[in-house]
Amino acid sequence: DAKTTQPNSMESNEEEPVHLPCNHSTISGTDYIHWYRQLPSQGPEYVIHGLTSNVNNRMASLAIAEDRKSSTLILHRATLRDAAVYYCILRDVKGAQKLVFGQGTRLTINP
Amino acid sequence: DTEVTQTPKHLVMGMTNKKSLKCEQHMGHRAMYWYKQKAKKPPELMFVYSYEKLSINESVPSRFSPECPNSSLLNLHLHALQPEDSALYLCASSHLGIGANVLTFGAGSRLTVL
Repeated sequence: DAKTTQPNSMESNEEEPVHLPCNHSTISGTDYIHWYRQLPSQGPEYVIHGLTSNVNNRMASLAIAEDRKSSTLILHRATLRDAAVYYCILRDVKGAQKLVFGQGTRLTINP
Repeated sequence: DTEVTQTPKHLVMGMTNKKSLKCEQHMGHRAMYWYKQKAKKPPELMFVYSYEKLSINESVPSRFSPECPNSSLLNLHLHALQPEDSALYLCASSHLGIGANVLTFGAGSRLTVL
């Protein structure tokens, strides 16, 4: 499985934007970029995914580099409820069944 | 229904007990997953079922026995566990086939082995 690299931790302030980076230099042409997050004492939850183009949804935006070797999850206006561990994961588009978690980024939001 | 339901939420068992964890979804997903998560670590994949057949076993010890009786249910049978098996066990489901196949996770079953 292609690997991803994320910073262990990041800190931001409430109501400010947060940019969470992810490097995936060995990404293949059929890999989707998925982001999940895990709030304390909960199971992981889906945030967003993309293949080549930037994506927006109600939770976040995903900016994908032109060479697809890196991506950035953007939380436009962080709240205290966004404090979580954020995982960037590559998943093959061809119906592959594995979703393998890396270490993720622990995001702390200061009031 | 957009949820994955796991029961029980908490389970304490001795090393000689036999118990089961249950997982249910009604989203029409044909892939179901078991993950194990230790404190402060990422979830680790254990098993994957596709169309009710075991498709991936990540070299999990035989004291963990998965079962998928139908497309909505997934069980994890536990027998002769060790204290180091204490962890949060997460169930997830997704569609199969070409596409993103986003996973939906349950809240987990927290297992303590005494």
